[in-house]
Parts: sequence; structure tokens; C-alpha cells
Amino acid sequence: GENVEQHPSTLSVQEGDSAVIKCTYSDSASNYFPWYKQELGKRPQLIIDIRSNVGEKKDQRIAVTLNKTAKHFSLHITETQPEDSAVYFCAARGGSNYKLTFGKGTLLTVNP
Amino acid sequence: DARVTQTPRDKVTEMGQEVTMRCQPILGHNTVFWYRQTMMQGLELLAYFRNRAPLDDSGMPKDRFSAEMPDATLATLKIQPSEPRDSAVYFCASVPGGGTEAFFGQGTRLTVV
Repeated sequence: GENVEQHPSTLSVQEGDSAVIKCTYSDSASNYFPWYKQELGKRPQLIIDIRSNVGEKKDQRIAVTLNKTAKHFSLHITETQPEDSAVYFCAARGGSNYKLTFGKGTLLTVNP
Repeated sequence: DARVTQTPRDKVTEMGQEVTMRCQPILGHNTVFWYRQTMMQGLELLAYFRNRAPLDDSGMPKDRFSAEMPDATLATLKIQPSEPRDSAVYFCASVPGGGTEAFFGQGTRLTVV
């Protein structure tokens, strides 16, 4: 089955710096890669996603890149703000089975 | 604002007791996932359904866990008997037919003492 590895498990940055979180997946048939943000005590919520036919997608301060050959994808947050502090999860969806497998999460702390 | 609804929000139970968690997916959503969240394992997939049919429950301990979807508006996750190591937050998520985004419920925080 699909295996999603996520690094780092914790990340601390200064306000205004950039943050990068990386994920790898094992199933070459996976075709959809979302990123979720979970604030303390809240439910995970989608912040950005990318499909396998696209290499990069950007939405204001966040961007995601995908390298299908290497089977890895990354989340980039620029000009970080304290409200970006949360746990971020990457995920991969199987091509034909709709199975959505998550990484173990990255706790991002943005220090003022 | 349509949301996935989970009940109960919090559950404290004694070891050995049966626990049933319920999820009402968003109307029109045809894929439903059950995840367990712990500090060490992140979001661990337990089981999922598509058009009410179970597709994969390989993430569930079969001897004590069971997941069902008796109709399109209700998914259930049952633990019998419960053990302290089952303590976690259990999330349900649903995906619209033809869509991709998974919408999560608020979660059920289970504590087994």
C-alpha cells in the first residue's frame, strides 16, 4: 500500500522567514497530493493541493511543488506569520482506489 | 455551511467497555474515511467506504474494531472491548462525488481508563 513520509517532524522559524516541509510517497499511481493545516484542538483543513499533471501551484504565500519522477512533493510558506503556527500534514491519494494516506505531520512554530 | 458531524465529541470509558462513534457525512459526499490521531502516529487510516461499500479496513485491529455504513447519512466505528491504548482522537472525513477535498469532522476524543 501507499506509504507517505514527511520531514521534518518539527520546524521552528522566525517571523518573516520561509518554511519548507517535504514529503515522499511510494505508489507511483498516486495522482492527488493535498496539504492540510491543523490548529491546536481543531480539525485538519485543506490549504492547498496539487494533481499529478502539474509541477507547481501557488496561492499567495503558500506553494506546493511536485516531482513525479522522484515521488516527492513539498510545501513552501513564505513570509511566515505567527498565525501560520500549526501542524501541517501532507497526503497522497491512490490513482484508482481513492485511498487518502497522510504523513505523520510537521509541527511548525513561527516565533515573533 | 455544510459540515461533517461526529458524535460524541468526548468519551471517557472504562477498559473493556464498548464504544461507538458516529459520523454524519456531508450530504452528497460518497467517500467516507475514519482516521485515528495520536501524537506518535499522526493521522492513521483505519477504514474507508465509497458509496457505502467498505474498500479497505486493513488499518484496523480486526479483533476489536469494526466499521459500518448502514446508510448514506451515517458511518459508525465500534470498539469492543476498548483498551487504554485506544485512547486517541478519531476523525471522520468525507469527499464529494467527483471531488477531491476531504472535509473533516470535529473529531471524537476517546479516553479509555
